[in-house]
Amino acid sequence: DVKVTQSSRYLVKRTGEKVFLECVQDMDHENMFWYRQDPGLGLRLIYFSYDVKMKEKGDIPEGYSVSREKKERFSLILESASTNQTSMYLCASRDRMGREGSTYNEQFFGPGTRLTVL
Amino acid sequence: GEDVEQSLFLSVREGDSSVINCTYTDSSSTYLYWYKQEPGAGLQLLTYIFSNMDMKQDQRLTVLLNKKDKHLSLRIADTQTGDSAIYFCAERGGYQKVTFGTGTKLQVIP
Repeated sequence: DVKVTQSSRYLVKRTGEKVFLECVQDMDHENMFWYRQDPGLGLRLIYFSYDVKMKEKGDIPEGYSVSREKKERFSLILESASTNQTSMYLCASRDRMGREGSTYNEQFFGPGTRLTVL
Repeated sequence: GEDVEQSLFLSVREGDSSVINCTYTDSSSTYLYWYKQEPGAGLQLLTYIFSNMDMKQDQRLTVLLNKKDKHLSLRIADTQTGDSAIYFCAERGGYQKVTFGTGTKLQVIP
């Protein structure tokens, strides 16, 4: 039962390229998140969205932008990729608080996209 | 900002107990979580504890919370090779904001 999918498992891009990472969830969740995971640094929040067309900066938004045109899809955009953006990117979604049977306390993660920028 | 710290690595023998520790700084934390990440996969929620509890047990997992010291631990009894993974501690403070720790890689030696 697939819940959160990411468009690519592995991606190799060149410095200066525009990169799109796509994430789709099938659980009708309001909240969606993009993290990057680096050894010794854990997960760091880049951006999140709590509704369609809404976005909020996380802890490390510089060099990234996001798009949420549909509820199920949250895209991360690297406008001009740089080598320091080589990382594992994880997408997650979470239900909203207050809905009957809400799983608000659980974030569901995709399998990750390992991006290498040369 | 909020900070969540864990040791990076833990090695145990199969059948022993594992204890993974975590410290956090946010005194307004409401929920604290343990997630597991197996190789090549995303994170999966293992268990969580509300901040007014000091212990929660779920089969082989025991979570202990010392709110005064802002210290959380995860004990895995009878550790198996399938428990080898990275374990992330996380805390929820302000609305919507969950802060993850650095992750502890657990290696189980057969």
